[in-house]
Amino acid sequence: ETAVFQTPNYHVTQVGNEVSFNCKQTLGHDTMYWYKQDSKKLLKIMFSYNNKQLIVNETVPRRFSPQSSDKAHLNLRIKSVEPEDSAVYLCASLGVNQDTQYFGPGTRLLVL
Amino acid sequence: GQQVQQSPASLVLQEGENAELQCNFSSTATQLQWFYQSPGGSLVSLLSNPSGTKHTGRLTSTTVTKERRSSLHISSSQTTDSGTYLCAIDQGKLIFGQGTKLSIKP
Repeated sequence: ETAVFQTPNYHVTQVGNEVSFNCKQTLGHDTMYWYKQDSKKLLKIMFSYNNKQLIVNETVPRRFSPQSSDKAHLNLRIKSVEPEDSAVYLCASLGVNQDTQYFGPGTRLLVL
Repeated sequence: GQQVQQSPASLVLQEGENAELQCNFSSTATQLQWFYQSPGGSLVSLLSNPSGTKHTGRLTSTTVTKERRSSLHISSSQTTDSGTYLCAIDQGKLIFGQGTKLSIKP
């Protein structure tokens, strides 16, 4: 049963455009994450949010910014996409005192 | 270098055979997890196993913490087991290996 929802599933855009990806979790978790999975399938964490506070901010380019309206939502905005941003972006959430993150289905971005 | 290394990179088996996947990690980990990623991309947690042996269904994970390695054994493989298996260590954030792509032929 899907409890972490991501939209869109797939997005094609051109270099320089702005894109925004949405993520919502219905698990009541306090922490949400964004991961990037490159063409070699390597998953790397980009951001995590706990109660609307950024607690991990990996060395990602400044054109990436997480946006949260409440603890159930964590969106990802890319201000001016570049070809190397083509990847799958996965959202996840984690509950308090839990050790397993729950992942969304991912958003595949293709930058032409 | 890569903190989490998985082997083999890919594995092709006939249905019914057993699969053995390996994960080696270079840093101390408080938690080690195995994930399955379907061909469609969905990622789900299979097992959380920081040390010792854990079983769930046809899956058995054995982690030897002092040797910084973990294995995932899939018995009597099925075609629906095909996909990518990812190992991750938790150091306050999950650090993933590059995965083992498993293909089970009918």
